[in-house]
Amino acid sequence: DTAVSQTPKYLVTQMGNDKSIKCEQNLGHDTMYWYKQDSKKFLKIMFSYNNKELIINETVPNRFSPKSPDKAHLNLHINSLELGDSAVYFCASSRTDTFAEQYFGPGTRLTVT
Amino acid sequence: EDKVVQSPLSLVVHEGDTVTLNCSYEVTNFRSLLWYKQEKKAPTFLFMLTSSGIEKKSGRLSSILDKKELSSILNITATQTGDSAIYLCASQTGANNLFFGTGTRLTVIP
Repeated sequence: DTAVSQTPKYLVTQMGNDKSIKCEQNLGHDTMYWYKQDSKKFLKIMFSYNNKELIINETVPNRFSPKSPDKAHLNLHINSLELGDSAVYFCASSRTDTFAEQYFGPGTRLTVT
Repeated sequence: EDKVVQSPLSLVVHEGDTVTLNCSYEVTNFRSLLWYKQEKKAPTFLFMLTSSGIEKKSGRLSSILDKKELSSILNITATQTGDSAIYLCASQTGANNLFFGTGTRLTVIP
């Protein structure tokens, strides 16, 4: 069974569109995260979500919004997509909010044309 | 400005060699230092370090934190081709934020 899963794996869309990426974890973890990895492999945390508390990286544009219907899911919604949003987006989860022993999903490669 | 710097940027070694990867950090309200291995897809967690001088070990990999020097090293002994990957270092801050370095790309050749 996959611990952290993401859908879709690939997403190609045009500028200005709105899209969502889904994430689910079956580990019973309390904290989930979204990361963005650019073409140079630089990884940056976007959000962490723990017990309904959302911590946002201040550099993330407000076009990005996480939505958590329950503890096992943290979806990422992106409005008005821009070329610079092209990247690989990783979801992750951990038992606590200390980033220890995070499990990452396989990633979603987003390409904005 | 918070930052994490890794060196070298890339490294090529032969199987059986021992390598040391470096990570230095300058962050506000340091909480922990984390190491990850990223092969073709997603990163996998290796170590989390919070206390100076206490080595964490997992098989041929080990890591230690030096809070005085604001740095950490990751050692890999008897390297194998399966160790080829990008190794990422990250520092957690008091604001529950996580800053990553640009990574060290390790290539182990047979």
